[in-house]
Amino acid sequence: AQSVTQPDIHITVSEGASLELRCNYSYGATPYLFWYVQSPGQGLQLLLKYFSGDTLVQGIKGFEAEFKRSQSSFNLRKPSVHWSDAAEYFCAVGTNTGTASKLTFGTGTRLQVTL
Amino acid sequence: DAGITQSPRHKVTETGTPVTLRCHQTENHRYMYWYRQDPGHGLRLIHYSYGVKDTDKGEVSDGYSVSRSKTEDFLLTLESATSSQTSVYFCACRGGIEAFFGQGTRLTVV
Repeated sequence: AQSVTQPDIHITVSEGASLELRCNYSYGATPYLFWYVQSPGQGLQLLLKYFSGDTLVQGIKGFEAEFKRSQSSFNLRKPSVHWSDAAEYFCAVGTNTGTASKLTFGTGTRLQVTL
Repeated sequence: DAGITQSPRHKVTETGTPVTLRCHQTENHRYMYWYRQDPGHGLRLIHYSYGVKDTDKGEVSDGYSVSRSKTEDFLLTLESATSSQTSVYFCACRGGIEAFFGQGTRLTVV
């Protein structure tokens, strides 16, 4: 069964500092990997996705993530955080094996940005 | 956002009553999902559907049932609501690789 681990429950960074959110997954085959962001009281918005090809993927709002198969990781990064990036971030792994197709989410990392 | 509408957006119900949440999509996506979100647990999959009348259980399916009689609608039913089912429920749809989410339904069972 697939699973996702986000080891950091809560992270605080200063505005303008760099950011890295960790994500480790468990899945037997090549996974589809995603990062979603959720602002308070809102639904989830897709930041970026990986399913094949270049292991460094670019997303919206200046985010990027790197797929490392050897480490089973898909960490999210941003060079310079803005106060509006404060939100909760979810990593997810997906499959596309017909009837078994589903997404599994991590428990999330809450990002606080100090001014 | 794949035109996903969840209804109702907020509901308070009493223990033991049945509750049905509705998810409606306008993009003809094949896959639909129901998740619940609770602090410290992230999103957990309740049930999902891979076509009309084709559904399967997720990791937290006890106490929930689903139905999908049309491509665009996916219903989640709590047969007899309990306080442990107080949560925020999200519907998601997926036609290709990524999933799109509705705005959520906040359900409180008192």
